[in-house]
Amino acid sequence: GAGVSQSPSNKVTEKGKDVELRCDPISGHTALYWYRQSLGQGLEFLIYFQGNSAPDKSGLPSDRFSAERTGGSVSTLTIQRTQQEDSAVYLCASSLHGRGNTIYFGEGSWLTVV
Amino acid sequence: SQQGEEDPQALSIQEGENATMNCSYKTSINNLQWYRQNSGRGLVHLILIRSNEREKHSGRLRVTLDTSKKSSSLLITASRAADTASYFCATEKNNNDMRFGAGTRLTVKP
Repeated sequence: GAGVSQSPSNKVTEKGKDVELRCDPISGHTALYWYRQSLGQGLEFLIYFQGNSAPDKSGLPSDRFSAERTGGSVSTLTIQRTQQEDSAVYLCASSLHGRGNTIYFGEGSWLTVV
Repeated sequence: SQQGEEDPQALSIQEGENATMNCSYKTSINNLQWYRQNSGRGLVHLILIRSNEREKHSGRLRVTLDTSKKSSSLLITASRAADTASYFCATEKNNNDMRFGAGTRLTVKP
């Protein structure tokens, strides 16, 4: 597609339920990132995929969070047993392989846990 | 973990004035980028400065980089109300691994 596409745009879920957030990066981009942003805060790094390398999962806040990237393209971020503190905008971004490349963001998925 | 730290956290100016935002970081970098965010949604790339560059211009934007002080500044000249947004610096830790600061919220009053 023309840009990074994320779905759903908005998701309201009950505490304790699982959610899946999807990211479709720009075609040909080998690097894919997930960030989390709470209201009025900065971007919190979650996970980074680069080609076939093992992902950098160092930013995942707990074992309730996981992400996968199938076929080097689409990525899914899964949050199990959601808590109210998981409420945030989840931003996905992608870039071409190599240093110094601009990263392109999707519009984000706004998650509200009630 | 976060890498860059923007300063100030919030800045309010009148239209026509210049706005200066600063970013400090902790480890060596390959390059530093500035992004803008409207309304808490996706970020848009503004400008990239490489570690061997000291200053870069793009339209009304001027970015400086001081690697000895591990700091960068973003200057927006002749600000407009439409410049109201949050501005983030991002540093490239390793190959494409980008980390962002907490951002500066800029308000330009008409």
